[in-house]
Amino acid sequence: DAKTTQPPSMDCAEGRAANLPCNHSTISGNEYVYWYRQIHSQGPQYIIHGLKNNETNEMASLIITEDRKSSTLILPHATLRDTAVYYCIVANNNDMRFGAGTRLTVKP
Amino acid sequence: GAVVSQHPSWVICKSGTSVKIECRSLDSQATTMFWYRQFPKQSLMLMATSNEGSKATYEQGVEKDKFLINHASLTLSTLTVTSAHPEDSSFYICSAQQGSFSSGNTIYFGEGSWLTVV
Repeated sequence: DAKTTQPPSMDCAEGRAANLPCNHSTISGNEYVYWYRQIHSQGPQYIIHGLKNNETNEMASLIITEDRKSSTLILPHATLRDTAVYYCIVANNNDMRFGAGTRLTVKP
Repeated sequence: GAVVSQHPSWVICKSGTSVKIECRSLDSQATTMFWYRQFPKQSLMLMATSNEGSKATYEQGVEKDKFLINHASLTLSTLTVTSAHPEDSSFYICSAQQGSFSSGNTIYFGEGSWLTVV
């Protein structure tokens, strides 16, 4: 079973920041938090991952709480092409399971 | 990190026949590959974990004799759907990793393979 909980859907206005939350209260010390997104009929696209420090790359920022029980993926300036299902995954020792994800819809 | 390629992107086969899907790690060696299945409007479901040179580990409810997985090299894993039936029609996706998750390696996914059994 997936170890994460995400809201099923979110909307965001184009050009605004999209903040996608994820709860992973049972995360253990050596587990990383990974974020992927999937656009219809394609394989999941890697976005970002982290252990306990906040991370930033060209696509997004990942904010992990100090207790590591939750995280937030931030798309700083959402575009229509960011409409997708976003998956937050806690991965442990050769085990990567997907939850239901959050369907983000970016609106004009 | 690995770039992962799947082939074919889509395939149509007759009921009762077998079909093979390839998953290749293009720019690095993948010690572990994962196979998923995804039905319309559902999330990815892990089918099996494949380690190079050893037998795959199947998830509960996944028939190992029906979904044959071979991981003979560090860059190639194959999934063979044997005696396919229409209910096997799905989107099959693989991913590849080098090392373990505890090392924080980036995991990349293939483009997926659409299987339609008629």
